[in-house]
Amino acid sequence: GQNIDQPTEMTATEGAIVQINCTYQTSGFNGLFWYQQHAGEAPTFLSYNVLDGLEEKGRFSSFLSRSKGYSYLLLKELQMKDSASYLCAVMDSNYQLIWGAGTKLIIKP
Amino acid sequence: SQTIHQWPATLVQPVGSPLSLECTVEGTSNPNLYWYRQAAGRGLQLLFYSVGIGQISSEVPQNLSASRPQDRQFILSSKKLLLSDSGFYLCAWSVLGQERSTGELFFGEGSRLTVL
Repeated sequence: GQNIDQPTEMTATEGAIVQINCTYQTSGFNGLFWYQQHAGEAPTFLSYNVLDGLEEKGRFSSFLSRSKGYSYLLLKELQMKDSASYLCAVMDSNYQLIWGAGTKLIIKP
Repeated sequence: SQTIHQWPATLVQPVGSPLSLECTVEGTSNPNLYWYRQAAGRGLQLLFYSVGIGQISSEVPQNLSASRPQDRQFILSSKKLLLSDSGFYLCAWSVLGQERSTGELFFGEGSRLTVL
């Protein structure tokens, strides 16, 4: 079966760096997405990786290793507004998105 | 620019009552449209998707149905709600298959349904 694994919850301190991991097993691969979802709101797109390596976008970076079925989202200079759930999703060979359950990130002052 | 709206934002319905959630997209043509449900602490569950008017694919057998009467309108319905239908419903669109598209999803604001 298809599976996306990510930690349920993480805690970090304002101003610090946090890495959220995602491992996947899917039938085929057509890209990996990271979304941010604040409580009670809809997810918003953060990043897309289809080739191995690091994609940087401001304070957020996303890394992909296709051979390892692994990705991480790196958040730098954490701000209180970064408190949210972070969803990992993989597009399979049928171009369907397989979603992880999300990682709830708690930022403490 | 493209926008997506869904309504109502919140609703409380008794078991056995009907449901209608509506979603419209502006600023794009022939989008792929999706209905997702998100239960508390769970991942997004794809309910229906549509690649064109009148074309609906169902991912999960249940008492819900979807319709796409117009290119940019997607409706989620039920004739009789169950307690298990409670959740956060999200409409989304993408342009997967079109040039320079990565297939990212753009979500509506969400509709929180509580069935009592």
